[in-house]
Amino acid sequence: DAGVIQSPRHEVTEMGQEVTLRCKPISGHDYLFWYRQTMMRGLELLIYFNNNVPIDDSGMPEDRFSAKMPNASFSTLKIQPSEPRDSAVYFCASQGLGAGEQYFGPGTRLTVT
Amino acid sequence: AQSVTQPDIHITVSEGASLELRCNYSYGATPYLFWYVQSPGQGLQLLLKYFSGDTLVQGIKGFEAEFKRSQSSFNLRKPSVHWSDAAEYFCAVGVFTGGGNKLTFGTGTQLKVEL
Repeated sequence: DAGVIQSPRHEVTEMGQEVTLRCKPISGHDYLFWYRQTMMRGLELLIYFNNNVPIDDSGMPEDRFSAKMPNASFSTLKIQPSEPRDSAVYFCASQGLGAGEQYFGPGTRLTVT
Repeated sequence: AQSVTQPDIHITVSEGASLELRCNYSYGATPYLFWYVQSPGQGLQLLLKYFSGDTLVQGIKGFEAEFKRSQSSFNLRKPSVHWSDAAEYFCAVGVFTGGGNKLTFGTGTQLKVEL
């Protein structure tokens, strides 16, 4: 299995631009999680999906952030418009049914100038 | 709400020395506990997990952790550290919600290994 795949690995954009981060979970996993990692706030859960349905988006910082999961093999996290304070590493993770562990992707390092 | 405290931000040990990374959690029920490792520029990799049963759990790469309910702790240990263990280590507590495991992470401990 290729594991969780994220793209792009690095993204540099200017303030005000739209940014889309992509994730392909491990095949057969029912849960998908989006996290953000910064020096100041550490690892934060933004949102998670169960069977493509958003379950908890209480960690999404504001309306500029949105996430979708149109099918079991693909999810996007969109920031529109982006701001410098959104600069962080964004991780996607997936989990199978039951008390299993979450498998993390390599992350997308986002820099907003 | 659950929380995790990792009191040591940085730890330096000599190669071959023993290691203990501290983790304290706060959660009202029996917790699900995890240790993850993150190498520079990489995602998080699971080292070990505790759900129930034996309070001493073995993980990959020679790591182990002990769950102590009375101390609300889940410390990570390794008897002999290798230079390749230099990385950042995260403790996490999981809350089951509808089958998914919502994780809350500690702030991490950066491990440096001196040769």
